Amino acid sequence: GESVGLHLPTLSVQEGDNSIINCAYSNSASDYFIWYKQESGKGPQFIIDIRSNMDKRQGQRVTVLLNKTVKHLSLQIAATQPGDSAVYFCAETTPGGYNKLIFGAGTRLAVHP
Amino acid sequence: EAQVTQNPRYLITVTGKKLTVTCSQNMNHEYMSWYRQDPGLGLRQIYYSMNVEVTDKGDVPEGYKVSRKEKRNFPLILESPSPNQTSLYFCASSLGRNVGEQYFGPGTRLTVT
Repeated sequence: GESVGLHLPTLSVQEGDNSIINCAYSNSASDYFIWYKQESGKGPQFIIDIRSNMDKRQGQRVTVLLNKTVKHLSLQIAATQPGDSAVYFCAETTPGGYNKLIFGAGTRLAVHP
Repeated sequence: EAQVTQNPRYLITVTGKKLTVTCSQNMNHEYMSWYRQDPGLGLRQIYYSMNVEVTDKGDVPEGYKVSRKEKRNFPLILESPSPNQTSLYFCASSLGRNVGEQYFGPGTRLTVT
């Protein structure tokens, strides 16, 4: 696989536990946020997004929370499975800047049986 | 199958030898983009295109060119590659302005010696 995550922070969890991956975003003017999952050797894959007029959004087994006061975004994964093992990136974009995504450095999630 | 394809997947070349990485999508997407991914830096946008014949610089455009003559294709051109362009490159596409839900290609690992 591609070694893009050599120096990333790693979150290790047991299979079946809930995972929380955090992201501090950079621009207080950002109004649209996205979480991506990247498995080894593959391109990033869209998971879930949230706009700044919301503070919570739920998908299938995933929840994104947005705290604009402290510029913090989190991704919660319920009942974590081995297939969830990957690098997770948050991304942001600003009003008028929808053409450009700014990605965070990523967090590696390691799920242990 | 809806997909973004890139070629080649792996390339080793020498400094100064012009190269092109092709990108093609079969989803009739208007928006296409190129990113490079380096350890610890996440994904950084090189160029993007909102539609045919409409391209613009991303965050790290120096040393790269692009063209968008057809909707489905968005090649990345390195006129005179240098070792600092050694990286993992991803092409992505999305429908219209919802650039958060981008579909990424499998990546091209480029090494410039």
